[in-house]
Amino acid sequence: RKEVEQDPGPFNVPEGATVAFNCTYSNSASQSFFWYRQDCRKEPKLLMSVYSSGNEDGRFTAQLNRASQYISLLIRDSKLSDSATYLCVVNMRPGPGSQGNLIFGKGTKLSVKP
Amino acid sequence: NAGVMQNPRHLVRRRGQEARLRCSPMKGHSHVYWYRQLPEEGLKFMVYLQKENIIDESGMPKERFSAEFPKEGPSILRIQQVVRGDSAAYFCASSPFEGGEQFFGPGTRLTVL
Repeated sequence: RKEVEQDPGPFNVPEGATVAFNCTYSNSASQSFFWYRQDCRKEPKLLMSVYSSGNEDGRFTAQLNRASQYISLLIRDSKLSDSATYLCVVNMRPGPGSQGNLIFGKGTKLSVKP
Repeated sequence: NAGVMQNPRHLVRRRGQEARLRCSPMKGHSHVYWYRQLPEEGLKFMVYLQKENIIDESGMPKERFSAEFPKEGPSILRIQQVVRGDSAAYFCASSPFEGGEQFFGPGTRLTVL
């Protein structure tokens, strides 16, 4: 089983749609969780950390279910500029928001159409 | 404040040659991570360094690959006797302290002919 698994997509959605990405991780000792965004042939950029209580940043909501080892990202009112690959990222280091050696999923590609 | 800088951005080598990839962390950052992204794959951790020390090289291939982060100058990822399978994007990230947010550089795209 892969350490971090994501649906590769692509997800093709119209502007304004709500889209949800799912991710599962295999190591129950994983401590910190993140969503990164990667545009074509560019470097990954941190979108948001994911906390057990769930967290929201504008149109983006992230959820973590430790019992199921499952992470999700919800994008509401999607924009053309949201088109990118979304990477689910996990690491073993303790402490919310702390980062050690990151374990990346392959990513889910999102394409938002006018 | 300049971000993480990597050079060259593109590097072409023939099989058997050496590749040297450089990474200058953000100002004030002394922790550097190297990751590799093969075509159509996710990023894979290679090595974690602090100034003059390798902290974790568990993701580094045992042969042909080495990394350093000297007291002065950029971090260097060195690949000796490159093979076609080394063709990938190599990303460097830096953070101000252990466990801090990692900021990624633009990457070096290595092509081995």
